Amino acid sequence: GAVVSQHPSWVICKSGTSVKIECRSLDFQATTMFWYRQFPKQSLMLMATSNEGSKATYEQGVEKDKFLINHASLTLSTLTVTSAHPEDSSFYICSSGTSGATFNEQFFGPGTRLTVL
Amino acid sequence: AQSVAQPEDQVNVAEGNPLTVKCTYSVSGNPYLFWYVQYPNRGLQFLLKYITGDNLVKGSYGFEAEFNKSQTSFHLKKPSALVSDSALYFCAVRDKAAGNKLTFGGGTRVLVKP
Repeated sequence: GAVVSQHPSWVICKSGTSVKIECRSLDFQATTMFWYRQFPKQSLMLMATSNEGSKATYEQGVEKDKFLINHASLTLSTLTVTSAHPEDSSFYICSSGTSGATFNEQFFGPGTRLTVL
Repeated sequence: AQSVAQPEDQVNVAEGNPLTVKCTYSVSGNPYLFWYVQYPNRGLQFLLKYITGDNLVKGSYGFEAEFNKSQTSFHLKKPSALVSDSALYFCAVRDKAAGNKLTFGGGTRVLVKP
């Protein structure tokens, strides 16, 4: 299947700083990428849908000014957690599907564990 | 709105025994159903999907799932579980009417004991 990478795999930062997480599709063009967060022992919650060349679509309850998403190319989407606080500590996972049919499965990155001190 | 339910938080099974992980769904249109597996501190790995056709779908690592429209279920099965199958399993549904977004179940932790 298609390969999606994330960088970094883990990050520890101080409260109030910003952290950028990159999501790359390595062997296909990703028109759409999805950003999820996962708290310990919980399911994945969709945060936003990132579309190449346009603004991201955020799910209800997700602050778009706090979680900045940029999808400037067909292989790269970034999520920036601005002014991070301890409650933002979580496992962030991106995914993408090959362009086209609705029924294609999404391919997930390995995740980024963010710890805010 | 679409939703997925995985009624069991954890399933324990002895190695070599059959494994079943339950999933029921609710969508307004035709469902596209998926199973993913997650190992600790890793992203999700795709196991199998149902789009149309045969109700019994075969996937990776010896897993299969049966689509049952009348019961709105898509249970994951493996005839003989391995210790290495111990992981977190997620069922997911996609409804085109919902904008191609995946909705995940709460996950089921599988523990296979030697």
